[in-house]
Amino acid sequence: NAGVTQTPKFQVLKTGQSMTLQCAQDMNHNSMYWYRQDPGMGLRLIYYSASEGTTDKGEVPNGYNVSRLNKREFSLRLESAAPSQTSVYFCASSATLLALGETQYFGPGTRLLVL
Amino acid sequence: SQQGEEDPQALSIQEGENATMNCSYKTSINNLQWYRQNSGRGLVHLILIRSNEREKHSGRLRVTLDTSKKSSSLLITASRAADTASYFCATVDSGTYKYIFGTGTRLKVLA
Repeated sequence: NAGVTQTPKFQVLKTGQSMTLQCAQDMNHNSMYWYRQDPGMGLRLIYYSASEGTTDKGEVPNGYNVSRLNKREFSLRLESAAPSQTSVYFCASSATLLALGETQYFGPGTRLLVL
Repeated sequence: SQQGEEDPQALSIQEGENATMNCSYKTSINNLQWYRQNSGRGLVHLILIRSNEREKHSGRLRVTLDTSKKSSSLLITASRAADTASYFCATVDSGTYKYIFGTGTRLKVLA
């Protein structure tokens, strides 16, 4: 039982390049999330998927797109990377949406550097 | 910003001492959770307290919640070097159901 896995662990991009961050969970969770964490700050929600087939914007969605490929996988795409997107990206999942006190389980993170 | 605030931003104590960190938030909530993040790792869930609860315990952890003041505190008793980490509170906004994280407290426990 791997929990939440993310690939890659580290990536360097040049401004304008595109890339996709992959996330998968093996806990049969319905809801999945993408966050970014910048130095000295907490996590900020980029996008989330309440269930397979749905996605919604979070607090900081600009410059990102997501795909809920199936129940297990939720990918985050940067179409044209900018230095402001240098951050650590975390994927998380929960059994259902968080309103009733569900716990989120986090992946190990992807460190992205945009030059 | 919708983010909550943790206080203090950084805390350094000796092993065996108690560590207290506080979290303030801005919106009405269903529940509040505390997470730990070791350096370079993802977040790990520690404890959840619901909006109708005032205090909760889990091992060496004690969490309080004051919804009238929109604040919570996390107490770690008899701290250990392994408790060195950043601690975040997270709230579920009862209107939007969005998860909002605080800015974190960096705890360093000296052996």
